[in-house]
Amino acid sequence: AQSVTQLGSHVSVSEGALVLLRCNYSSSVPPYLFWYVQYPNQGLQLLLKYTSAATLVKGINGFEAEFKKSETSFHLTKPSAHMSDAAEYFCAVKDGGSQGNLIFGKGTKLSVKP
Amino acid sequence: NAGVTQTPKFRVLKTGQSMTLLCAQDMNHEYMYWYRQDPGMGLRLIHYSVGEGTTAKGEVPDGYNVSRLKKQNFLLGLESAAPSQTSVYFCASSYLTGGEQYFGPGTRLTVT
Repeated sequence: AQSVTQLGSHVSVSEGALVLLRCNYSSSVPPYLFWYVQYPNQGLQLLLKYTSAATLVKGINGFEAEFKKSETSFHLTKPSAHMSDAAEYFCAVKDGGSQGNLIFGKGTKLSVKP
Repeated sequence: NAGVTQTPKFRVLKTGQSMTLLCAQDMNHEYMYWYRQDPGMGLRLIHYSVGEGTTAKGEVPDGYNVSRLKKQNFLLGLESAAPSQTSVYFCASSYLTGGEQYFGPGTRLTVT
């Protein structure tokens, strides 16, 4: 069965610093991968998705993620953190079963220090 | 275009009471989902539907029932609420299975 592991439940960076949020997946088939963001007291919204096209995927708000099959990773990065990036981030993989539901990681809370 | 809406936004129940959470989407999506979100647990799928009149169990279905009588609506019921069901509940919908899911704003439920 597919699974997703997000390394680090909390990440803290300074404003202007690089943001790196880690996601590793296990999948027996070529995966569809997603990153979602959740701002406080809101629902989740899609940041970006990988669906077997380009391995470097650009998303909204300056975020991007690189699919690395050899490392089974899909890490999320942003060159320069902004205070407004403080939120919880979830990585998800499409389940390889017949229904193809999404399986979510446990989330990484990003804090941005002034 | 409201996207995915959820009613109510907040609710407090006593143990043993029942309630229904309503999810509505106006994007003509076939697939709809109910999740619960608990601290440190991420999102866990409760039930889902692949079309009008269909429902299926997810990862944590016990204590919940669902119905999809109309394509645009997906109802989540708690017949006899328990404190373990205190959580934030999210509804989502998607056009394709395994595709991008659109989420509602959530319902914060407390069971005392």
